[in-house]
Amino acid sequence: DAGVIQSPRHEVTEMGQEVTLRCKPISGHDYLFWYRQTMMRGLELLIYFNNNVPIDDSGMPEDRFSAKMPNASFSTLKIQPSEPRDSAVYFCASTIGTEPTKQYFGPGTRLTVT
Amino acid sequence: AQSVAQPEDQVNVAEGNPLTVKCTYSVSGNPYLFWYVQYPNRGLQFLLKYITGDNLVKGSYGFEAEFNKSQTSFHLKKPSALVSDSALYFCAVRDPAGGGNKLTFGTGTQLKVEL
Repeated sequence: DAGVIQSPRHEVTEMGQEVTLRCKPISGHDYLFWYRQTMMRGLELLIYFNNNVPIDDSGMPEDRFSAKMPNASFSTLKIQPSEPRDSAVYFCASTIGTEPTKQYFGPGTRLTVT
Repeated sequence: AQSVAQPEDQVNVAEGNPLTVKCTYSVSGNPYLFWYVQYPNRGLQFLLKYITGDNLVKGSYGFEAEFNKSQTSFHLKKPSALVSDSALYFCAVRDPAGGGNKLTFGTGTQLKVEL
């Protein structure tokens, strides 16, 4: 298996622009997580899905952030409009319900908002 | 609310020496505890977990962790460090009483192993 796939790996955009991050979980995994990592705040869980349904979005910082999972093999995290403080590395992770706490992380998307 | 604390931002150790990376936790019930490792420009990788049973848990790459309920700790250890162990290590906790599959991660400890 190719593991969790994220795209793009790097994104540089200007403040106010819309940014869309993409994730393909490992086939057969029924949980998908979006995290954000910064030096100041460490690793934060933004939202997670089970069987394509959002379960907990309490970590989503504000209405500018939205996440969708239209099917079992694809999820997006959208920021609109983007701000410089959104600059971070965004990770997607997936796991299977029989062992929900062993999460498999993607390589991350490094977002820079100027 | 569940939480973990990693009191050291960085740990330095000489290759061949034992290493310890500290973690303490706070949950309402019996915890599920985990260690993950992050190499530069990579996502986190699972190392080991404690759910129940023996207090000493063995994981990948020769790492082990000791669960201590009285001290609410779950320190990561390795008898002999390698330069290749240099990475960022995260402790995490899941509160089974809280429901769901949410892990709360610590702030991370940078391990540097020198020759």
